[in-house]
Amino acid sequence: GESVGLHLPTLSVQEGDNSIINCAYSNSASDYFIWYKQESGKGPQFIIDIRSNMDKRQGQRVTVLLNKTVKHLSLQIAATQPGDSAVYFCADRQQGGKLIFGQGTELSVKP
Amino acid sequence: NAGVTQTPKFQVLKTGQSMTLQCAQDMNHEYMSWYRQDPGMGLRLIHYSVGAGITDQGEVPNGYNVSRSTTEDFPLRLLSAAPSQTSVYFCASSFGTNQPQHFGDGTRLSIL
Repeated sequence: GESVGLHLPTLSVQEGDNSIINCAYSNSASDYFIWYKQESGKGPQFIIDIRSNMDKRQGQRVTVLLNKTVKHLSLQIAATQPGDSAVYFCADRQQGGKLIFGQGTELSVKP
Repeated sequence: NAGVTQTPKFQVLKTGQSMTLQCAQDMNHEYMSWYRQDPGMGLRLIHYSVGAGITDQGEVPNGYNVSRSTTEDFPLRLLSAAPSQTSVYFCASSFGTNQPQHFGDGTRLSIL
């Protein structure tokens, strides 16, 4: 069936480095994508979104890139900080408007 | 403005019992949804609603019922609890299906 998946379950980076979290999706009809951050014991927190008519969108220290040709989504975090340590999920909007989440990548930031 | 409020925060049930997880939002959002999250896993969509009076099934709807009689409330009912339904349940809402969803803090449910 259709699914959203992530390439790596864990990512460890040094404080101050840039982080790149990847996501592959399989539904070519998906037209809206979101990245969420989830800290331990809390609900997911919205980071940034992008629509399929865009290739790139920037926020504060975060950038999302969308490559529709290969159905790939990435989240770039600049100057990663210890407070960025969390699990990051991508999600895409599928038929009927339902939002489907990927498995998640756990980001660990080393001081 | 409280956002998305879920009650209870914790609950322990015995197999076969029924219960309702409550979800309320005060942001006048049309779209609401329920997810479950198992340890080390992503969120799986149970049911969702695009507006009052309208509900639809997600990825894992079996064993759960929902209704949407008002814009504000979207309760999730477990008809006959099973140990496989032990999970953390999150409710979310948004203005529309192409808008970011706001999540509640979750309900941690254990079924013995």
